Amino acid sequence: ELKVEQNPLFLSMQEEKNYTIYCNYSTTSDRLYWYRQDPGKSLESLFVLLSNGAVKQEGRLMASLDTKARLSTLHITAAVHDLSATYFCAVDDFASGGGADGLTFGKGTHLIIQP
Amino acid sequence: DVKVTQSSRYLVKRTGEKVFLECVQDMDHENMFWYRQDPGLGLRLIYFSYDVKMKEKGDIPEGYSVSREKKERFSLILESASTNQTSMYLCASSSAGTRQTQYFGPGTRLLVL
Repeated sequence: ELKVEQNPLFLSMQEEKNYTIYCNYSTTSDRLYWYRQDPGKSLESLFVLLSNGAVKQEGRLMASLDTKARLSTLHITAAVHDLSATYFCAVDDFASGGGADGLTFGKGTHLIIQP
Repeated sequence: DVKVTQSSRYLVKRTGEKVFLECVQDMDHENMFWYRQDPGLGLRLIYFSYDVKMKEKGDIPEGYSVSREKKERFSLILESASTNQTSMYLCASSSAGTRQTQYFGPGTRLLVL
């Protein structure tokens, strides 16, 4: 059974600081997704990481994937209030032949950025 | 832009009622998914479909069924709603093949009394 663990689950930080959210998963996979969810809203796709060593950046967010360590990171640089949201990582277990082809999500990291 | 719409944003039902949650996508996507989202548990896959009239169980299908009579529409059915089905329900769609980015609808917040 594929398990996806995010940490921290809750993060309060100040503007202009840097921080990293971690996403570990338990089975072989070479595709990982990051989503953002604002309160009361649906999920917005941020990044799709397609292979080992993949790195993608959008503004103050940068995501990377290490398939050997089964780890993805979402790094926030010089945080601003607008980045306050809940961030989810998700993995499909296609590579391990898992039965369900939907995504397995982490529990989410609730990020609050204070002025 | 991909647009996934859900029939209701908020729904209140009574225990034992039959509940229909509707999802429509306008991008001609083959794949459609239903998830439920609960605090502290993240999103969990209920059912998915790769084609019209085709359905597959996800991780937590018990107490639910689905219907896909048309490509653009995927319905989630609670045959006899129970209080433990109070949750946020999210529909998603993606283009053909596995491992495609899923696009999510706005969600339906269901309260079962």
